[in-house]
Amino acid sequence: DAKTTQPTSMDCAEGRAANLPCNHSTISGNEYVYWYRQIHSQGPQYIIHGLKNNETNEMASLIITEDRKSSTLILPHATLRDTAVYYCIVPGSSNTGKLIFGQGTTLQVKP
Amino acid sequence: DGGITQSPKYLFRKEGQNVTLSCEQNLNHDAMYWYRQDPGQGLRLIYYSQIVNDFQKGDIAEGYSVSREKKESFPLTVTSAQKNPTAFYLCASSVSGAQETQYFGPGTRLLVL
Repeated sequence: DAKTTQPTSMDCAEGRAANLPCNHSTISGNEYVYWYRQIHSQGPQYIIHGLKNNETNEMASLIITEDRKSSTLILPHATLRDTAVYYCIVPGSSNTGKLIFGQGTTLQVKP
Repeated sequence: DGGITQSPKYLFRKEGQNVTLSCEQNLNHDAMYWYRQDPGQGLRLIYYSQIVNDFQKGDIAEGYSVSREKKESFPLTVTSAQKNPTAFYLCASSVSGAQETQYFGPGTRLLVL
């Protein structure tokens, strides 16, 4: 599974866009990039995933660079409820389906 | 209302006791997973099952056991052999195995008395 690197923590003002970066320089051509988040003491929540093209859903947008070595999760209008740990994961092509959750980025949305 | 349920929310275990954590899903998913999370850490895979009546060990299976007799259920037993069971346990499911979105339950927090 490709290793991912994320900043340990970030702050964002409420109502502003939160841009969370992730490096995955060893990603292979058929591996997806997934984003999950975990609010304190809850189960992780799926946000979005992508392969090559940029993706958008009701929660967020995912921008993947052309060389696919990095990506950015964008929360367009962050709210206090978006305060959480955000995980960037490349599950890989192994058939276990195992997700490797690293330390993630702790996003603190401030009023 | 589809989703994954875990019970109980909190569980207390006495020394030498086996306890069983419940995980049920009504998403018609084939694959189910159990993860363990320690404070301030990421999730680690305990066991997974990609089909009924079949399951495989994950990275930290020692001291745990599972069964998969029904598609919708994947209970986890924490045995007395698990010497440090205090943790947050998360169950997940996906349509199938590799590179499929996993959906998580709310978790069970296990504490040792």
